[in-house]
This record gives sequence, C-alpha cells and structure tokens, in this order.
Amino acid sequence: GAVVSQHPSWVICKSGTSVKIECRSLDFQATTMFWYRQFPKQSLMLMATSNEGSKATYEQGVEKDKFLINHASLTLSTLTVTSAHPEDSSFYICSARRGTGNQPQHFGDGTRLSIL
Amino acid sequence: GQQLNQSPQSMFIQEGEDVSMNCTSSSIFNTWLWYKQDPGEGPVLLIALYKAGELTSNGRLTAQFGITRKDSFLNISASIPSDVGIYFCAGLSSNFGNEKLTFGTGTRLTIIP
Repeated sequence: GAVVSQHPSWVICKSGTSVKIECRSLDFQATTMFWYRQFPKQSLMLMATSNEGSKATYEQGVEKDKFLINHASLTLSTLTVTSAHPEDSSFYICSARRGTGNQPQHFGDGTRLSIL
Repeated sequence: GQQLNQSPQSMFIQEGEDVSMNCTSSSIFNTWLWYKQDPGEGPVLLIALYKAGELTSNGRLTAQFGITRKDSFLNISASIPSDVGIYFCAGLSSNFGNEKLTFGTGTRLTIIP
C-alpha cells in the first residue's frame, strides 16, 4: 500500500510555457501533500506543503505566483510551473501523507522538467 | 535554517562489505528517517526512528536515533549490488502544527566489482 503516482515523469518544453505536474495517492487518502525540488547531485528541498481544501504553505524563497499548487481532493495535488524558464529545470518530487502525527511521507517517482 | 550534514559524501566499497554512514544536525528532531533514492526516482523510506536512543533494524539495515536527538547513523551489513544509490537522512520537525521534512546532503554508495 501507500503508492504515490506522479505524472508526467518527464517533460521538455519551451521557455515561457506553463507546465502542470500531477501527484496522486493511489490507495490512500492524503490529508497533506508536499512538493520538493531537487537539482542535480543535490538534496531534496521542500517547496510547499499542501493541505486538501486550503491554500498551500510555501517555503521561504519559493514564489507562490510562480509555482501554483492546487489540492482539490484527498487523492490529487497539482503543481503548475507558470511561465517556466531554463532556471526552473529540475527534478520535482511530490509526497503524500496519510493523516497526521507520525505517519511517514510516501514519495512519487518525480518529474524531470527541462526548459529549453 | 536547519541543516543536516551527512558523511561520508560518497563511498566506494566491494560487495559483501559493511557500510556505515551518519547524519548530524544543528537542531533537534523528534523523528529521524532514512531514505534511499535510485537515479531518476523518488526516495523510498528505509527506516523511521521515533525515540532518542532507539535502535531499529530492517533486514540488513540498522539505524539509530542519537541520544542528543541531533544525529543518527545507518549501517548496512553485507552489501549487495542493489544497495547502490543515494542514501538520505531526514529530520521531521513540527512548527505550529505544520510538519516539515528536512533532508540531509546525501551519501552516494557505489559498489566496486
């Protein structure tokens, strides 16, 4: 159990395009979903925390108008990178957590975003 | 902000060797987690530690939550080829009900044939 699916797994697009990434919890309801970004050979950095039905909480330095997060249901959160530029190229990974407290986060397989 | 430093940064070992890596923090965490990440994939949870001093095993993996709550180590015994990957420690903190997972800098494990 506890499977998290991300789509797409890989996307290449032109500069200025907006890109939407989906994160789904397949076999459980996720009260909270998290979005991370990972640059090559670096660690995962939390971008934002998303609770179902409420506005996302963004980490310091992450532009909320640039990275739009929608968590409309207990099984789906989306991240939209608006007007993407080459510096936005990265590996974006979501995670989902069932409930609260000591429930672990389960991670998707990531989305490789390349902006030309 | 919180920083988690892992050492060593990379390891080159032969199959069958034991591996030890650790993670230190400038802040206290109430939960420590160890993840493994394969290239192009998301991290997979290996072990979760919830109490200071706790020692937990998962097959050939053993991890301990340091008494000071500022460190943790992970040991892998009798390494096999599928152990290759990047290992991340992570500390879970809670601030006004908002939980945050802070990842370490990672240890890259390579097995020399």
